[in-house]
Amino acid sequence: GQQVMQIPQYQHVQEGEDFTTYCNSSTTLSNIQWYKQRPGGHPVFLIQLVKSGEVKKQKRLTFQFGEAKKNSSLHITATQTTDVGTYFCAEYPNSGNTPLVFGKGTRLSVIA
Amino acid sequence: ETGVTQTPRHLVMGMTNKKSLKCEQHLGHNAMYWYKQSAKKPLELMFVYNFKEQTENNSVPSRFSPECPNSSHLFLHLHTLQPEDSALYLCASSPDRVQETQYFGPGTRLLVL
Repeated sequence: GQQVMQIPQYQHVQEGEDFTTYCNSSTTLSNIQWYKQRPGGHPVFLIQLVKSGEVKKQKRLTFQFGEAKKNSSLHITATQTTDVGTYFCAEYPNSGNTPLVFGKGTRLSVIA
Repeated sequence: ETGVTQTPRHLVMGMTNKKSLKCEQHLGHNAMYWYKQSAKKPLELMFVYNFKEQTENNSVPSRFSPECPNSSHLFLHLHTLQPEDSALYLCASSPDRVQETQYFGPGTRLLVL
């Protein structure tokens, strides 16, 4: 079935370092969403990317959608302890009529 | 964040028990979802309801039985569960079934003994 690959699975960074997580799909995506789940919490929607090559920013977070709409990345500049959590990408395949498919997530730890 | 609520928040049950998880959304959405989240398989979609009709069943064992009496309420009835069913069960809703953002509830942490 449809599967989106997300790497890395875990990332430990020193506070102030940058962090990037990547999502790759074998098929063209209609759009991609990113969610964050804090430890002990539930996934919370961050952003949706729709257009080929789209780049969106939220403060220190930069989200990119690949030109071929098969991959996406989330980059955090100068991580803070509040960035700790698991970041999931989620995709709607271009076939259009299937529910959201989540990646396995990247768990970010930030060492103060 | 009270758009989607779930009860109970924690549940411990034996393998012969019958229990139900409840989800309620106050967002006016038409689609609701059950997910299972465990260390082995993060965010595993179980069931999808759209306008009270079940549209997806991801090969979930029959010991999990969903019920959607209206577009605001979703239940997950549990019976004769196994220890490997211990997980966080998350409910979510979205305006429609596809191409929409999902809003998650806080989850029910289930332990099966």
